[in-house]
Amino acid sequence: NAGVTQTPKFRVLKTGQSMTLLCAQDMNHEYMYWYRQDPGMGLRLIHYSVGEGTTAKGEVPDGYNVSRLKKQNFLLGLESAAPSQTSVYFCASSYGLAGGSLETQYFGPGTRLLVL
Amino acid sequence: GESVGLHLPTLSVQEGDNSIINCAYSNSASDYFIWYKQESGKGPQFIIDIRSNMDKRQGQRVTVLLNKTVKHLSLQIAATQPGDSAVYFCAENIGGSNYKLTFGKGTLLTVNP
Repeated sequence: NAGVTQTPKFRVLKTGQSMTLLCAQDMNHEYMYWYRQDPGMGLRLIHYSVGEGTTAKGEVPDGYNVSRLKKQNFLLGLESAAPSQTSVYFCASSYGLAGGSLETQYFGPGTRLLVL
Repeated sequence: GESVGLHLPTLSVQEGDNSIINCAYSNSASDYFIWYKQESGKGPQFIIDIRSNMDKRQGQRVTVLLNKTVKHLSLQIAATQPGDSAVYFCAENIGGSNYKLTFGKGTLLTVNP
């Protein structure tokens, strides 16, 4: 199993550009999450999904949109990138019968985004 | 709102020593806790977890202790190795059906050879 994968690994955007980050998991997990990680701030939840076709706002949702059209994929979109969105983005998934506790979240390797 | 915090932002130990990383939480409703390890340039990696009905749980070279009276969580690493150098996060889940976690800011562990 590949676990949780993220593409791209690194991206540079200009202010106002748009992009989509892709997260995929092969653990048949129901729940998926998008976080951003900034120095000294820890992991902050942007959006999450408790199942295919459902999404919900997290702690810092402004400026981001998400979609969960397939159970294994969770997309994070930036419609008009801003320098404040420069960060490292992590995807995670949880709640499956693959083992471990239901609440345990498994993380991808991250996407480093720089907005100029 | 209530959040997870850490006592020490950095910890430096000698190879072979035992390491103790601490975490304080303030939400008395939290019923599940996780420790993650994050190496430079990588995503957080699950280490060990514990439920609120337990005081102690052991894994391979790691032990998590939970003191609900003072709302304190600790991660003990035995015989610390250079490969243990990383940032360690604690996270808590306050229950509910969405399994959201609240993360602490992390402690940087440096193991000196």
